[in-house]
Amino acid sequence: QQQVKQSPQSLIVQKGGISIINCAYENTAFDYFPWYQQFPGKGPALLIAIRPDVSEKKEGRFTISFNKSAKQFSLHIMDSQPGDSATYFCAASVTGNQFYFGTGTSLTVIP
Amino acid sequence: GAGVSQSPSNKVTEKGKDVELRCDPISGHTALYWYRQSLGQGLEFLIYFQGNSAPDKSGLPSDRFSAERTGGSVSTLTIQRTQQEDSAVYLCASSLTPGGYEQYFGPGTRLTVT
Repeated sequence: QQQVKQSPQSLIVQKGGISIINCAYENTAFDYFPWYQQFPGKGPALLIAIRPDVSEKKEGRFTISFNKSAKQFSLHIMDSQPGDSATYFCAASVTGNQFYFGTGTSLTVIP
Repeated sequence: GAGVSQSPSNKVTEKGKDVELRCDPISGHTALYWYRQSLGQGLEFLIYFQGNSAPDKSGLPSDRFSAERTGGSVSTLTIQRTQQEDSAVYLCASSLTPGGYEQYFGPGTRLTVT
């Protein structure tokens, strides 16, 4: 059973556009929602994370929007750049001990 | 400061052989996690350690999988009698404290079972 559902599976965006990736969860006990960026041949790297007591968190061009009532959260990449082309994973955790990951979104930013 | 390191980076083994995968966490990180990433899939949680103990082993796929951590540092994931479905990238991550939330991942070990 997939604890965290992620969409879309792949995404193509023009340079300068907005990339949006969505995730949904069921377990209301989750208290930490990170996003990871993974380049080929590398391990995932933490990009940005949010806790359920806030609805939005912004770091540079990256924003997480969190909707607690709908049990959904999304990653927005503003002014997308070719260097953002990577696979993005959302995840959720209870107490930071066990993490459940989405299946990933392959983002391609076209110059 | 060195990040999380894993060895070997690639491992090709014959079906039925045993393999050992090693993870060196960031110095001082007390929590350590193992994940499996199959082609085109997300990360599947396998096990985590708080110090040398593993409170939850329920993520290990079968009794052919085992893991240990010694001295609160290096961890080894062992797969016995490997099967072709074990082929995947095995990722290790560490965090400063149990429940520390921010995980730092190693580059992974790509295991291919022929």
